[in-house]
Amino acid sequence: EVQLGESGGGLVQPGGSLRLSCAVSGFTVSDYYMTWVRQAPGKGLEWVSVIFRGGSTYYGDSVKGRFTISRDNSKNTLYLQMDSLRSEDTAVYFCARATATTRSLDYWGQGTLVTVSS
Amino acid sequence: DIVMTQTPLSSPVTLGQPASISCRSSQSLLHSDGSTYLSWLQQRPGQPPRLLMYKISNRLSGVPDRFSGSGAGTDFTLKISRVEAEDVGVYYCMQATRFPSTFGQGTKLEIK
Repeated sequence: EVQLGESGGGLVQPGGSLRLSCAVSGFTVSDYYMTWVRQAPGKGLEWVSVIFRGGSTYYGDSVKGRFTISRDNSKNTLYLQMDSLRSEDTAVYFCARATATTRSLDYWGQGTLVTVSS
Repeated sequence: DIVMTQTPLSSPVTLGQPASISCRSSQSLLHSDGSTYLSWLQQRPGQPPRLLMYKISNRLSGVPDRFSGSGAGTDFTLKISRVEAEDVGVYYCMQATRFPSTFGQGTKLEIK
């Protein structure tokens, strides 16, 4: 059974850092486009970042230069390192997977809440 | 970046009646490989999003056939032939033809 589970969210001060993890089971992270999507309270979905099978990455404009996506194939886990956090980064962060053939996000985790506030 | 614009942003519908959501992209979503990477997702209250359709019109296994997708280029539509109570939620289109991927603003489907 395919499962994704995020962890690492919490309260952090502006300018601080946080690392999110997404542990998966039922598939191998390196076989898929692994993606982070966030949702600010009461708002819509915002695409954050992707890591492709070959390891190359893309970021949304609002997080470029501050966030870093990575994966540990031995742990079958996806990460999102978030630095220089701002209040507008407050959101629920979801990890999701996409196949290379469809590029659609077919499985999602439940999300982890990040709150950036002093 | 490609901008995705959905209309309407809110859609009150009577049970058993059809519903339609439009999604327009600022650039063609036709990829050089011949595919159009436009998908539709549903988010019920308190839940993570759920994939409904991929590559415009392909229904994910388990999605009721009252959902259908159509379109090409820059204009796409999600239709529900007969709305049921379980269809309440917010619907998003998403493009993955060009990265960064982008979502539409979401359309809230509610029952009249």
